[in-house]
Amino acid sequence: GQNIDQPTEMTATEGAIVQINCTYQTSGFNGLFWYQQHAGEAPTFLSYNVLDGLEEKGRFSSFLSRSKGYSYLLLKELQMKDSASYLCAVGFAGNNRKLIWGLGTSLAVNP
Amino acid sequence: EAGVTQFPSHSVIEKGQTVTLRCDPISGHDNLYWYRRVMGKEIKFLLHFVKESKQDESGMPNNRFLAERTGGTYSTLKVQPAELEDSGVYFCASSLDTSYEQYFGPGTRLTVT
Repeated sequence: GQNIDQPTEMTATEGAIVQINCTYQTSGFNGLFWYQQHAGEAPTFLSYNVLDGLEEKGRFSSFLSRSKGYSYLLLKELQMKDSASYLCAVGFAGNNRKLIWGLGTSLAVNP
Repeated sequence: EAGVTQFPSHSVIEKGQTVTLRCDPISGHDNLYWYRRVMGKEIKFLLHFVKESKQDESGMPNNRFLAERTGGTYSTLKVQPAELEDSGVYFCASSLDTSYEQYFGPGTRLTVT
């Protein structure tokens, strides 16, 4: 079966750092996506990891360990606008482009 | 560049009625996807078009759902007849052939009463 787990909710303080974890067990794997979704809006792409290691993009970084079925999204210098749901999704290879999603982590950034 | 657009943004219909959702992908994106999120559950894949062809429709719940993409541009998703469990947010996404990044529309919130 397909299983993707991430924490339901997290809270953090403005200016701090937060790490959102995601573990997955899927039949097939080609890469791990992170999307951000503000309430009532479209999910927006944050990152895509195919190889093991850390990918940094501004205040956001994403890490992948394929052997452990584990990823995390690291958000630095948190801002109030970072309050949103963060969705972890697994992608597959070749012509199979569907994404399998976790439930999402609702992050609240407090002043 | 215009993003993915979906119409309508909200739809409230009664059980047994028919509803058609529309998605306009980003111009030039051959890949088009439909997803659905039922309240309290994860986003679930419905199907994937490459141009006008159905590449993968393994996520379609049953034969009350019909997706089309005539001409390989916009797509429609028809639910007929609608049931209570069809309520949820229906997302459309599109992507280039050369990229795995999917761009999402704002979704259509469907409520079946």
